[in-house]
Amino acid sequence: QKEVEQNSGPLSVPEGAIASLNCTYSDRVSQSFFWYRQYSGKSPELIMSIYSNGDKEDGRFTAQLNKASQYVSLLIRDSQPSDSATYLCAANSGGSNYKLTFGKGTLLTVNP
Amino acid sequence: SAVISQKPSRDICQRGTSLTIQCQVDSQVTMMFWYRQQPGQSLTLIATANQGSEATYESGFVIDKFPISRPNLTFSTLTVSNMSPEDSSIYLCSAGLTRNTGELFFGEGSRLTVL
Repeated sequence: QKEVEQNSGPLSVPEGAIASLNCTYSDRVSQSFFWYRQYSGKSPELIMSIYSNGDKEDGRFTAQLNKASQYVSLLIRDSQPSDSATYLCAANSGGSNYKLTFGKGTLLTVNP
Repeated sequence: SAVISQKPSRDICQRGTSLTIQCQVDSQVTMMFWYRQQPGQSLTLIATANQGSEATYESGFVIDKFPISRPNLTFSTLTVSNMSPEDSSIYLCSAGLTRNTGELFFGEGSRLTVL
């Protein structure tokens, strides 16, 4: 069974610090990787997608992908209390671009 | 991105009854999916809603329990049949846009409680 693993947390960082979220996946044919943010009681919101090895930056967010190690990470710079949420890592599976397997999520708390 | 509307947003249901959840997307989309998120858990794919044909179900999910319709490129329904308390969950509709990126967008979810 294809799996996506994340530390459940909670991960607690002070405001202004860098938050580092990690994820590993088991399906070697996965090509597409995503980070979703989910506030309590809300639906997941796509914040980053990454398809190639290396780094991809978007504002305060940087996604990193290492296919050889089957590892994906998300860095949040200058963390804000509004970043406090559960972050879900997802990878495509079954050879379909859109069929995603989600990790259980990491709860991030940014303390003022 | 796409705006995805679901209704009902929440409901309390009696054991043995069925409930249909509707999902409307504000633009034509290639792919539509139904996910379940049980309390404290991540998202589990129920099925792919195929336009004009039978849905494709994931392991552990069957058509008799979760019948799905998708009559066009912007609308789908999921029915949870013969509900039991174990079906209490959030059901999420999601859509992939025509670009083949794999990016999914989610509706606000339908929170079902089965008594």
